[in-house]
Amino acid sequence: AQSVAQPEDQVNVAEGNPLTVKCTYSVSGNPYLFWYVQYPNRGLQFLLKYITGDNLVKGSYGFEAEFNKSQTSFHLKKPSALVSDSALYFCAVRDGPGRRALTFGSGTRLQVQP
Amino acid sequence: DTGVSQNPRHKITKRGQNVTFRCDPISEHNRLYWYRQTLGQGPEFLTYFQNEAQLEKSRLLSDRFSAERPKGSFSTLEIQRTEQGDSAMYLCAILEAGANTGELFFGEGSRLTVL
Repeated sequence: AQSVAQPEDQVNVAEGNPLTVKCTYSVSGNPYLFWYVQYPNRGLQFLLKYITGDNLVKGSYGFEAEFNKSQTSFHLKKPSALVSDSALYFCAVRDGPGRRALTFGSGTRLQVQP
Repeated sequence: DTGVSQNPRHKITKRGQNVTFRCDPISEHNRLYWYRQTLGQGPEFLTYFQNEAQLEKSRLLSDRFSAERPKGSFSTLEIQRTEQGDSAMYLCAILEAGANTGELFFGEGSRLTVL
C-alpha cells in the first residue's frame, strides 16, 4: 500500500521569508514523489517530481523539494515566499512506475502574509 | 492549459437525479484517471482507463457510479440516484504520454452540488 502524510493543515509565512511544507510517505518499493498546487476553484497544477537521482529537485515558480530516504520525507521548499504562492499544496506518491494511480495527501494551505 | 477539458464545470442537482460528467483530453493519451475531491481533502482515486479498458476501480466507486471511455479518447463519469454525499469536485487526469514515471495532468474539474 502507498500513503502520504502532510502533518500541517496550514503554514503561515511572511513574504520574503523561506517556506517549508512537509510531506512524509510510505511505500513498499521505490517511491515516485510529486508536488501539486491548487488555487481556488481550479484543478491541480504539477510543480515538481522526484523519480531518481539528485535528492534536491527543482520545479516551477522557484519551488524545490528534498528527498530524504532515511526519513521517508519529501518536503517542499522555497527560499523566498511570495504572496501569490498562497494556495493549497498537495504531496503525492506512486509506488514505482507503471499504471498505478497517485495517492495524495490531505493538503497544506500556505498563507503568505505581505 | 493542461490539455484536459471537463464539462460541465459546475452541476447543481436534486437528490435522486442522475448526472454525467465528460472529460476530453486534447490529444491522445493512453491513460486516463478520475479522482474525487471533497472540500478540505486531497483528491481520492476513483478509476483508471488504459485506452478503452477500465483497468482499476477504487472501492469508493459504488454501483451508482459508472465510467466509460468508449473509443479510448474522451471519458464519461455517470452518477445515478445522486446523494448529498456525492457533492464534490470530480477531477479527470491524463498521464504524460509514453511515460511510466510521468506526472498526471489534471483538468479544471467538475463541481457537483447535490441539494
